[in-house]
Amino acid sequence: DVKVTQSSRYLVKRTGEKVFLECVQDMDHENMFWYRQDPGLGLRLIYFSYDVKMKEKGDIPEGYSVSREKKERFSLILESASTNQTSMYLCASSLFAGQGRPEAFFGQGTRLTVV
Amino acid sequence: AQTVTQSQPEMSVQEAETVTLSCTYDTSESDYYLFWYKQPPSRQMILVIRQEAYKQQNATENRFSVNFQKAAKSFSLKISDSQLGDAAMYFCAHVESSSNTGKLIFGQGTTLQVKP
Repeated sequence: DVKVTQSSRYLVKRTGEKVFLECVQDMDHENMFWYRQDPGLGLRLIYFSYDVKMKEKGDIPEGYSVSREKKERFSLILESASTNQTSMYLCASSLFAGQGRPEAFFGQGTRLTVV
Repeated sequence: AQTVTQSQPEMSVQEAETVTLSCTYDTSESDYYLFWYKQPPSRQMILVIRQEAYKQQNATENRFSVNFQKAAKSFSLKISDSQLGDAAMYFCAHVESSSNTGKLIFGQGTTLQVKP
């Protein structure tokens, strides 16, 4: 069974803290994604990675960074958390589109609250 | 640039009836994939159906089918014989298959209510 695991379902952090959200996949997928989900805005892509140590900015990268040191792990970092980063964060992974099955598999999501 | 638009924030359907969710997208590529995902209240995102742009035949998965209009860049989801378990948020998504990276873009989502 394919699996994408996010380290926490719920997280509460203080303004200014450095926050790490971790995601691990066991499917040997090349692509990994971090999305932010807010009501009425759908899923907005923060960053994605198509290979180890390779990353590309998505639509809303400001205030975030990412790390992919190993193929199976993709971390989202909030350098200095702010209240406007309170949101649901979803991690996903997929094969390359050219490999024929590019659908993404998702983790269970992390509800982050910044106070 | 890739964009995906879902213009219906909320829809409702009577149990056992049929409902259609709309999605439009924009891309400069001719080869791509489209998806519908379901997110129930448990929030685990699940793939419902996928369509490859080079295939003219509309995809079908049991009670779920799509109406893919490539020229119009339209990709609607039809749910037949709606069940209470179909209540969820539905997302349309797009990825360009010419890209080696597979950047996956989502729409805003449609919340579907199923009335008993």
